[in-house]
Amino acid sequence: SQQGEEDPQALSIQEGENATMNCSYKTSINNLQWYRQNSGRGLVHLILIRSNEREKHSGRLRVTLDTSKKSSSLLITASRAADTASYFCATDNQAGTALIFGKGTTLSVSS
Amino acid sequence: EAQVTQNPRYLITVTGKKLTVTCSQNMNHEYMSWYRQDPGLGLRQIYYSMNVEVTDKGDVPEGYKVSRKEKRNFPLILESPSPNQTSLYFCASSVVGETQYFGPGTRLLVL
Repeated sequence: SQQGEEDPQALSIQEGENATMNCSYKTSINNLQWYRQNSGRGLVHLILIRSNEREKHSGRLRVTLDTSKKSSSLLITASRAADTASYFCATDNQAGTALIFGKGTTLSVSS
Repeated sequence: EAQVTQNPRYLITVTGKKLTVTCSQNMNHEYMSWYRQDPGLGLRQIYYSMNVEVTDKGDVPEGYKVSRKEKRNFPLILESPSPNQTSLYFCASSVVGETQYFGPGTRLLVL
């Protein structure tokens, strides 16, 4: 029961450039979360944005949420090689008992 | 340090040999959950627990059991593992409706 779809599937940029990843979902949500995963390792939580919020910042990360379009975006500014990872959006299911993950965007930042 | 721990981190076993993957959190979270991650299929929920002695099935519960006898622990039991249960497993915990924190993952190979 996939909810989130990230776009693009893969993104390659140079260090210092900005990276933008998009996520679309299908049903109404209470919140949307973004996670990072380095090469098959653990999931690191980045940001949670609630349905009544439009934008959130955390360091070099900026997340927007448009509930009318059922979409979110993650912007990483001034990318570094260490940002190379897969990025996932996740929304709560309608019962609030599970996170539904998209298949992720693989970001590659070269120096 | 607030964290979710899983053990073992890596496990190779043979078909039919019962195994348990432990999960423990030190954040006093009511909600705990197990996910598996497979290439091309993404992350899917196996089981979840809303509190002690309250567990329920996720999207892919077949072949798995769980128990929640204490708030901090949520073990995943494979009574008779099969090769299609080869996967990367994640435990997560949270306050209900808030950020889910994930463990480091357990990579399981069933021969």
